[in-house]
Amino acid sequence: NAGVMQNPRHLVRRRGQEARLRCSPMKGHSHVYWYRQLPEEGLKFMVYLQKENIIDESGMPKERFSAEFPKEGPSILRIQQVVRGDSAAYFCASSPPSRERYEQYFGPGTRLTVT
Amino acid sequence: AQSVTQPDIHITVSEGASLELRCNYSYGATPYLFWYVQSPGQGLQLLLKYFSGDTLVQGIKGFEAEFKRSQSSFNLRKPSVHWSDAAEYFCAVGAKEYGNKLVFGAGTILRVKS
Repeated sequence: NAGVMQNPRHLVRRRGQEARLRCSPMKGHSHVYWYRQLPEEGLKFMVYLQKENIIDESGMPKERFSAEFPKEGPSILRIQQVVRGDSAAYFCASSPPSRERYEQYFGPGTRLTVT
Repeated sequence: AQSVTQPDIHITVSEGASLELRCNYSYGATPYLFWYVQSPGQGLQLLLKYFSGDTLVQGIKGFEAEFKRSQSSFNLRKPSVHWSDAAEYFCAVGAKEYGNKLVFGAGTILRVKS
């Protein structure tokens, strides 16, 4: 059973460009979460999605960031007009439905560097 | 607001020595508790979890953790550390009152000296 897959693993963008991060959850998992890890900090929740629905986006910056989890295909975290402060590791996690949804399995992360 | 505290930023132990990493949380109700390990440049691997029942839980790689409600703690322990345990360890907490997200501590970096 393949784990959570993220791509790309490393992404370099110049200021003002767009960054697209992809996440494929584990088989059988219908819940996807995105977290951001700034250098020397713990992970901070960004957004929680189910298929075609954003359930909780309380951790998402109000501007430039968006996320989706379409009916078909991976979840996408999109950052428009990136700035240096967006440089971080972005982790996707997935969980099974029902009460085990707190048991989240993480992907390897995408390390975004903004130059 | 909910919070998770890992008071030790760095810990160094000798190979073969015992280990305890501390984690305290502030929540009103019984939380779901987790420990994750992250090797440099890698993702997070779930070591163990506590949902309910026996307050001493066993995890992978010989780790265990004990939930102490009176102290709001969930400390991670290992009786004998191996050099391969060197990594960063994160405590995380989930609770129904705060939605589906996990709240993470800042992490503890473990160094193992031979």
